[in-house]
Amino acid sequence: DAGVIQSPRHEVTEMGQEVTLRCKPISGHNSLFWYRQTMMRGLELLIYFNNNVPIDDSGMPEDRFSAKMPNASFSTLKIQPSEPRDSAVYFCASSLGQGAMNTEAFFGQGTRLTVV
Amino acid sequence: KNQVEQSPQSLIILEGKNCTLQCNYTVSPFSNLRWYKQDTGRGPVSLTIMTFSENTKSNGRYTATLDADTKQSSLHITASQLSDSASYICVLHNTDKLIFGTGTRLQVFP
Repeated sequence: DAGVIQSPRHEVTEMGQEVTLRCKPISGHNSLFWYRQTMMRGLELLIYFNNNVPIDDSGMPEDRFSAKMPNASFSTLKIQPSEPRDSAVYFCASSLGQGAMNTEAFFGQGTRLTVV
Repeated sequence: KNQVEQSPQSLIILEGKNCTLQCNYTVSPFSNLRWYKQDTGRGPVSLTIMTFSENTKSNGRYTATLDADTKQSSLHITASQLSDSASYICVLHNTDKLIFGTGTRLQVFP
């Protein structure tokens, strides 16, 4: 398996534009997580899905952020409209099972978003 | 106050030396505690996973310890290599959430 695949790797956009980040989890994993990483705040969980259903979106910062998981092999994180303070690296991770004690989360390589 | 605090924030050591990274947490209860290594420009990769009942776990030159009484964990790196230069993140698995520390940035110089 190629691991968790994210696209694009880098995104530069102008303030106000819509940004869509994409993630393909590891085949067979049924939990998917979106994280944001900044120097100041480290890694923050935005939302996670289990069996394609959003379980906890309390980390989504504002209504400008939305995430979908239409099927087991694809998820998107959308920011509309984007703002400079959204600049960060966005990671997608997947794992097998929900609440399993020793479940390991595998991370993608991230999308570095720059909003100018 | 962060639920998972790591120290030091950054560390520089010479190749071949040992080092120990610290993690103090207030999360309770938790299922397991993990240490991740994150190379620059890449996603975190798991090094060790310990349940709350385990005291130590090794992975090659990496040894993690857990003291549930003092709510502390440490990651000891033996005979450091240049490739150990990375950020090391302590993570607690609480119910269905992972709670991340802010990491320790380690640089190994030749």
